[in-house]
Amino acid sequence: DTGVSQDPRHKITKRGQNVTFRCDPISEHNRLYWYRQTLGQGPEFLTYFQNEAQLEKSRLLSDRFSAERPKGSFSTLEIQRTEQGDSAMYLCASSRGGAAAGTEAFFGQGTRLTVV
Amino acid sequence: EDKVVQSPLSLVVHEGDTVTLNCSYEVTNFRSLLWYKQEKKAPTFLFMLTSSGIEKKSGRLSSILDKKELFSILNITATQTGDSAIYLCAGTTSGTYKYIFGTGTRLKVLA
Repeated sequence: DTGVSQDPRHKITKRGQNVTFRCDPISEHNRLYWYRQTLGQGPEFLTYFQNEAQLEKSRLLSDRFSAERPKGSFSTLEIQRTEQGDSAMYLCASSRGGAAAGTEAFFGQGTRLTVV
Repeated sequence: EDKVVQSPLSLVVHEGDTVTLNCSYEVTNFRSLLWYKQEKKAPTFLFMLTSSGIEKKSGRLSSILDKKELFSILNITATQTGDSAIYLCAGTTSGTYKYIFGTGTRLKVLA
């Protein structure tokens, strides 16, 4: 499978615990994005990387959230001290870079987080 | 603030019907508009539109962008039950590569 891969697919955690999600993008893609989606809403932008550089972060991304892409390949998204409001689907996407008009992003299956 | 608004929020049709989904946008330094289909988990890419008035087609689906009136439509002809999904529209801006999504249109096609 050469698509975007996310792990785990589901995560249930107790409030206050830390969680970490992993995303493996399509291999030749240098842009990687994290989005959060709640029921009945479209995906909300969290952050994106170009290679290993984190170029933009949403104001939605509180200081409990951190993302890394250490070698410009896979990425991790960590949520510290989880709250019930963090329950959502966390989607990762990747795209090629370089085209002035932008290129389409391909999404992974997502990690569904439930905070109890 | 940049925003994308989709209508209707939900739609129920019968197989064989034609549907038109709407997407309007207010995006600073607009670059492109994209349509995705989301059935269960991952949104799957349908179209990317950058130029006004040029229709893009893929089978029974087609889409067009109007940059003057700031909207796009997605048409699905001869709908099938497999078209049942949430259709998402997203705008992008120059200088950033984030997508600004609408809330989606939930389409249900009845046999």
